[in-house]
Amino acid sequence: DIQMTQSPSSLSASVGDRVTITCRASQNIRTYLNWYQQKPGKAPNLLIYAASTLQSGVPSRFSGSGSGTDFTLAISSLQPEDFATYYCQQSIGTPWTFGQGTKVEIK
Amino acid sequence: QVLLQESGPGLVKPSETLSLTCNVPGGFLSSGPYYWSWIRQPPGKGLEWIGYIHYTGSTNYNPSLKSRVTMSVDTSKSQFSLKLSSVTAADTAVYYCARVNYGGPPRGDYWGQGALVTVSS
Repeated sequence: DIQMTQSPSSLSASVGDRVTITCRASQNIRTYLNWYQQKPGKAPNLLIYAASTLQSGVPSRFSGSGSGTDFTLAISSLQPEDFATYYCQQSIGTPWTFGQGTKVEIK
Repeated sequence: QVLLQESGPGLVKPSETLSLTCNVPGGFLSSGPYYWSWIRQPPGKGLEWIGYIHYTGSTNYNPSLKSRVTMSVDTSKSQFSLKLSSVTAADTAVYYCARVNYGGPPRGDYWGQGALVTVSS
């Protein structure tokens, strides 16, 4: 199985901050990388697919980059509704696997 | 907007079979480049992909669960289903159904709200 490792596991930030989350794959996954946001008690919501393509309806302050084994999710100016847990997921090969999650908390 | 809805018992006894159904409105089940997937999340933990089914009936299961998982699809009812046999407390989780769009790199673009299933006697 392809292992996905996110860092950090959690972070504290203030509204307006720029935030970056990294995701590393245990092998080359090209750009088969998705990012999801999950709020407590809710289902994950797709933010970015194919490493850098913004899902329809997602605010442009979210962006994704990377290819191969190293990927980044960036939030350019953190908003109150962005406090949540973020997961990366590889979809180049089954079993599809997720990172362990990064919890973004209010400083 | 594709509103998926999971349904099924919220409590299952150890060693029994967990059964869930996902309703897919609007005729999407047998259209488009879509897989219909199940993902689970134990309380306070991360996400685990269980597997997917195509409307043609072809399946792909996570090897870690493959011996206990069966997925099926009923296009006449616009539903797909999950059965997980011989459950233990470790199978307690929120179970999500999701549409995976494989028009391009696969991604879960619509998810159900989730169904909590507790395994306990």
